[in-house]
Amino acid sequence: AQSVAQPEDQVNVAEGNPLTVKCTYSVSGNPYLFWYVQYPNRGLQFLLKYITGDNLVKGSYGFEAEFNKSQTSFHLKKPSALVSDSALYFCAVRSLNTGGFKTIFGAGTRLFVKA
Amino acid sequence: EAGVAQSPRYKIIEKRQSVAFWCNPISGHATLYWYQQILGQGPKLLIQFQNNGVVDDSQLPKDRFSAERLKGVDSTLKIQPAKLEDSAVYLCASSQNPDRYYEQYFGPGTRLTVT
Repeated sequence: AQSVAQPEDQVNVAEGNPLTVKCTYSVSGNPYLFWYVQYPNRGLQFLLKYITGDNLVKGSYGFEAEFNKSQTSFHLKKPSALVSDSALYFCAVRSLNTGGFKTIFGAGTRLFVKA
Repeated sequence: EAGVAQSPRYKIIEKRQSVAFWCNPISGHATLYWYQQILGQGPKLLIQFQNNGVVDDSQLPKDRFSAERLKGVDSTLKIQPAKLEDSAVYLCASSQNPDRYYEQYFGPGTRLTVT
């Protein structure tokens, strides 16, 4: 069965420092991986995706993520955090299962960037 | 471009009552999704529509939940009768077509509290 884990409930980082939000997954077959962000009182927004190709993918707002097949990870990164990056981040994985493609979301990681 | 609209934003009901949520997707988006997001968890897909047809309702509790998208535009999700464990945020999302499933645009959600 496919699963996705975000091991940290919250990540705290100072503004200007690099940030990493972790995500690991378990699927049978090739995964499609995504990151979404949820700002307060707003709907989820798509950030970036990995389908195939280069393991380092770039997305919106300066975020990037690295697909690591051997470690089954897809960590979200940003070189320099902004206070406005404070939000709830969700990792999602999509793979082919009995009954077709299924997408499941992780439980979310709250990022807090301190000025 | 107008986003995904949902109403109401908040709803409080007693168990065994019924409730309905409404969603208006982005104009031209053929694919519509309903998710349930329980506090502390990631969104879980309840049902996916392609135009007015159901693509996936494998995780919809059909004994109490129902959804329709009669004209392939607006959609309603109904719970009858509600249980305490239905307390959650119900998210509606839309995408241009199933191939662009990752670029889902989410509405602000309806927060349901069942007492």
